[in-house]
Amino acid sequence: DAGITQSPRHKVTETGTPVTLRCHQTENHRYMYWYRQDPGHGLRLIHYSYGVKDTDKGEVSDGYSVSRSKTEDFLLTLESATSSQTSVYFCAISGMDRTYGYTFGSGTRLTVV
Amino acid sequence: AQRVTQPEKLLSVFKGAPVELKCNYSYSGSPELFWYVQYSRQRLQLLLRHISRESIKGFTADLNKGETSFHLKKPFAQEEDSAMYYCALGLSSNTGKLIFGQGTTLQVKP
Repeated sequence: DAGITQSPRHKVTETGTPVTLRCHQTENHRYMYWYRQDPGHGLRLIHYSYGVKDTDKGEVSDGYSVSRSKTEDFLLTLESATSSQTSVYFCAISGMDRTYGYTFGSGTRLTVV
Repeated sequence: AQRVTQPEKLLSVFKGAPVELKCNYSYSGSPELFWYVQYSRQRLQLLLRHISRESIKGFTADLNKGETSFHLKKPFAQEEDSAMYYCALGLSSNTGKLIFGQGTTLQVKP
C-alpha cells in the first residue's frame, strides 16, 4: 500500500476531552506533517516534524501538540477538543528529495460534539 | 508571504470539453509546484510535479514564472476526472513544507 496509515479513521468525541490521532509510516521518511482539511480553506498545516523529537508549528497550531519519539510514528494531540476542531485530519510523509512531494494517509474524520 | 490561490471553488464542464484549473502562487524563492487530486472520500494523490514535466491521465501543467501560475489543463474531460484538485507550493527550505491552495472541485457532466 502507500506505506502510511492513520488511526482511527473516524472518531466522535465530546468537547473538552483529549484526543490523540496516530500516523504510522513504513517508508523511513524523515519528514512528517499533520494537516487539517476544511471546506473553503483547503489543507492547512498544523505541525510538522523533520526528525525524531524535532517538530515545529504550522499555520494553525493553536490547541494542538505533537510528538515524534520514533521515526515511524507521529502523534497529534488535541489537548481539550473544541467544536472548531471538527475536521478531517491528514498525515503526510516526505523523503529527503522534496521534488517528489508528499504521500498522504487516508485521513481521520474527527467530530467534536 | 507565500500563498497559493485557486480562484475557482467549483468548475463544471461537460464530458469532452477542455478543462483548465487555475493556480497562482506568491513566493520570492525558487518554487516547486505540484497538483494533487482527491477522489471522493479518498486520500490525496500526487497528480503532477512541475519538475518532471510529465502528463498524467491526460493532464498537463506548465510553470509560468512570469505570471506566477501553474494551471492544470486537459483537452478532453472525462467523467472519472470529477474530483477535488489542489495546487501546492513547495518552499526552497529544508523543511519540505507544502502550502496548499483552497482547492477546486471539478465536476464533469455526462
